[in-house]
Amino acid sequence: AQSVTQLDSQVPVFEEAPVELRCNYSSSVSVYLFWYVQYPNQGLQLLLKYLSGSTLVKGINGFEAEFNKSQTSFHLRKPSVHISDTAEYFCAVAFMNTGFQKLVFGTGTRLLVSP
Amino acid sequence: KAGVTQTPRYLIKTRGQQVTLSCSPISGHRSVSWYQQTPGQGLQFLFEYFSETQRNKGNFPGRFSGRQFSNSRSEMNVSTLELGDSALYLCASSITGLANEKLFFGSGTQLSVL
Repeated sequence: AQSVTQLDSQVPVFEEAPVELRCNYSSSVSVYLFWYVQYPNQGLQLLLKYLSGSTLVKGINGFEAEFNKSQTSFHLRKPSVHISDTAEYFCAVAFMNTGFQKLVFGTGTRLLVSP
Repeated sequence: KAGVTQTPRYLIKTRGQQVTLSCSPISGHRSVSWYQQTPGQGLQFLFEYFSETQRNKGNFPGRFSGRQFSNSRSEMNVSTLELGDSALYLCASSITGLANEKLFFGSGTQLSVL
């Protein structure tokens, strides 16, 4: 089965603390990996993506993610969060099947940053 | 460059009615995809259009349909609305729709079915 799992529906954290949002996937084919962020009342914006090469990917707003093929994970991290990082974060995986590609989003993790 | 525009922003309908949502992609983008977003379900892929042809389709019933025009604008239609169709409907555009491309999302249409 080709699936994407974001186990944490909500992650509360204090401002300036580090945070990790988890994403795992299940696949027997190669994948491309993405993290999108959705601020309140807005559409989704791409934070970062992994297509190939270095497994550590840096994105916008100080976020980074690491692709771990053996653990089929693509966790998102930020060393020090701000209040403005409060948003919903979606992991997305593009499964590169023979003949067609399938993009699947996780159910999202709501990051709540408090002072 | 204008972003992805979705209209209307909000819609209230009753069960059994039908509804049409509109999406104007970024100029030059030929791929438009549609998603349904509900709490707990995340984003679920509905379908993707490229050059006026449906290229990919998710696992939604036939009540959900779409089309794309020659200017790449896309519409999504839902017939015989059900309460469970209440959701935020997002569309996204990209240049070619390939899996390695960044998607540009609109702000969505919030549909409430009463």
